[in-house]
Amino acid sequence: AQSVTQPDIHITVSEGASLELRCNYSYGATPYLFWYVQSPGQGLQLLLKYFSGDTLVQGIKGFEAEFKRSQSSFNLRKPSVHWSDAAEYFCAVGAPSGGYQKVTFGIGTKLQVIP
Amino acid sequence: DVKVTQSSRYLVKRTGEKVFLECVQDMDHENMFWYRQDPGLGLRLIYFSYDVKMKEKGDIPEGYSVSREKKERFSLILESASTNQTSMYLCASSLGTGAGDTQYFGPGTRLTVL
Repeated sequence: AQSVTQPDIHITVSEGASLELRCNYSYGATPYLFWYVQSPGQGLQLLLKYFSGDTLVQGIKGFEAEFKRSQSSFNLRKPSVHWSDAAEYFCAVGAPSGGYQKVTFGIGTKLQVIP
Repeated sequence: DVKVTQSSRYLVKRTGEKVFLECVQDMDHENMFWYRQDPGLGLRLIYFSYDVKMKEKGDIPEGYSVSREKKERFSLILESASTNQTSMYLCASSLGTGAGDTQYFGPGTRLTVL
């Protein structure tokens, strides 16, 4: 069975600073990897996803993520954070499980952006 | 754009009441899901459905049931609500049944059971 770990529950960055949110997964092969964002009072929205090909994936809103097989990681990055990026970010892993295709979400990282 | 709507944003119920949470998607998606979201626990899958009248248990199905009579509608039922079911409930849908399919989420229903 797959699992995903987001080690940082809460992160605070200054507006304009760079951002990196960490995500580690556990699965026997390369799974599908996702980052979703949840703005206050809203549902989750897909930022980007990866399965194969270029290990640096570009997403919406200026985000990117890098897949590192050797570290079982899929960290999310943004070079310059905007106040509107304040939200909760979820890393997720998709893979076959029990005869079905299952997506497992991490516990989330809440991002606070200060002026 | 895919739209997933949930019948209520906020709901307050009493212990022992039967509670229905409704979810509708407008893009002819095959798969639909119900999650609950709790601080420090992330999203946990309650039930999912890959076709009309089909349902499969997720990770935490106890105390819940579901119904999918039409492709676009997926209902979550709490037969006898309890205080430990106070939570945010998120519905989602995806076009196919693959693990790589993007899930589209509704805005959530915050349920409080008193």
